[in-house]
Amino acid sequence: DIVMTQTPLSSPVTLGQPASISCRSSQSLVHSDGNTYLSWLQQRPGQPPRLLIYKISNRFSGVPDRFSGSGAGTDFTLKISRVEAEDVGVYYCMQGTQFPHTFGQGTKLEIK
Amino acid sequence: EVQLLESGGGLVQPGGSLRLSCAASGFTFSIYTMSWVRQAPGKGLEWVSAISGRGGSTDYADPVKGRFTISRDNSKNTLYLQMNSLRAEDTAIYYCARRRDGYKDIWGQGTMVTVSS
Repeated sequence: DIVMTQTPLSSPVTLGQPASISCRSSQSLVHSDGNTYLSWLQQRPGQPPRLLIYKISNRFSGVPDRFSGSGAGTDFTLKISRVEAEDVGVYYCMQGTQFPHTFGQGTKLEIK
Repeated sequence: EVQLLESGGGLVQPGGSLRLSCAASGFTFSIYTMSWVRQAPGKGLEWVSAISGRGGSTDYADPVKGRFTISRDNSKNTLYLQMNSLRAEDTAIYYCARRRDGYKDIWGQGTMVTVSS
């Protein structure tokens, strides 16, 4: 199975400041079809997960443009340009390139 | 509105069985692969099982293989997860999710399963 490793596991951030979360996979996520199936999910407290970013850098419908994704191969990053109070929660990266699909451990974003 | 709504969770004794349902609405259910993902209390996300649009192909995570069965009824726009021989470590919120191109774009609210005597 592909292991997804996120850093940091906890990220205290000041409102209005940027935040960044890294995700590294144990092997390349480039699929044989040429796509890289790395996505980012947000889980607010008491809520189900919500898709933010798919295929590295594509924002899902309704996701604010302060969220952006980047990376390639085995190293990926989620960035929030200016953190807002509603961004508090846990963020997960997920690989959908190889079965079974696997998730990172989660990064808890909290306000300082 | 695209929506998934899980039901069927509850308290069950070790060794018992439970069937979860996930009712889909707002999209053409039969053309999408559907997944179950679970989350143990205070823990991260774990993929459990998936089924192709017509139901002809299924996959399971190793911890549930041989105990859980995924199925779907496209005439009822409903996904199921039959869980047998339940163990304490199966205690979790179970989410159904729609799969598209290697990512899961729509998630239900989840249903809680507690395995305890």
